[in-house]
Amino acid sequence: EAQVTQNPRYLITVTGKKLTVTCSQNMNHEYMSWYRQDPGLGLRQIYYSMNVEVTDKGDVPEGYKVSRKEKRNFPLILESPSPNQTSLYFCASKLGTSLYGYTFGSGTRLTVV
Amino acid sequence: QKEVEQNSGPLSVPEGAIASLNCTYSDRGSQSFFWYRQYSGKSPELIMFIYSNGDKEDGRFTAQLNKASQYVSLLIRDSQPSDSATYLCAVSRDDKIIFGKGTRLHILP
Repeated sequence: EAQVTQNPRYLITVTGKKLTVTCSQNMNHEYMSWYRQDPGLGLRQIYYSMNVEVTDKGDVPEGYKVSRKEKRNFPLILESPSPNQTSLYFCASKLGTSLYGYTFGSGTRLTVV
Repeated sequence: QKEVEQNSGPLSVPEGAIASLNCTYSDRGSQSFFWYRQYSGKSPELIMFIYSNGDKEDGRFTAQLNKASQYVSLLIRDSQPSDSATYLCAVSRDDKIIFGKGTRLHILP
């Protein structure tokens, strides 16, 4: 089944404890992206990647890191999480540039206390 | 500031009627336009895309695009209770996709 898989689905952590949210896609998509979704603010892009070793900042990159060492994987790293990073996170992938829409993973609900 | 604007709703529509969802965008260079459906607590699901002016139909869904007016709409015919969700409009140019904040649709049984 073609899909974007992210883990974990739920995560509660403490301020300052480094964490990684994994994302993998099996559709051979070029583009991958991370979004966060907050009430009243909608979906906001954190980082995106156009191909292996090519990444760029989205609208809200502060406090996050990403890497794209393999085409299928695009992990999101929070080096020192803070409570304002409590959110619902989505990984997404798409085949190419503007003609294609994203396929989203199931989401990771992160709570930082 | 490039933006995608949607009425947040909720939009209440009787079962069996036509639901009309609207979206405006500010970037005249936008190339592709998408509609996503998102159920509460779930991930967005792509339901329609349109690139050219005019109408595009897929089952009960019709997407309409007017680039001169910078306006995209989604019509849902014969609305069903299962159509109750938040609908996100998304606009793409080159590498970027910008999402609207969504319109909550409630189908009244």
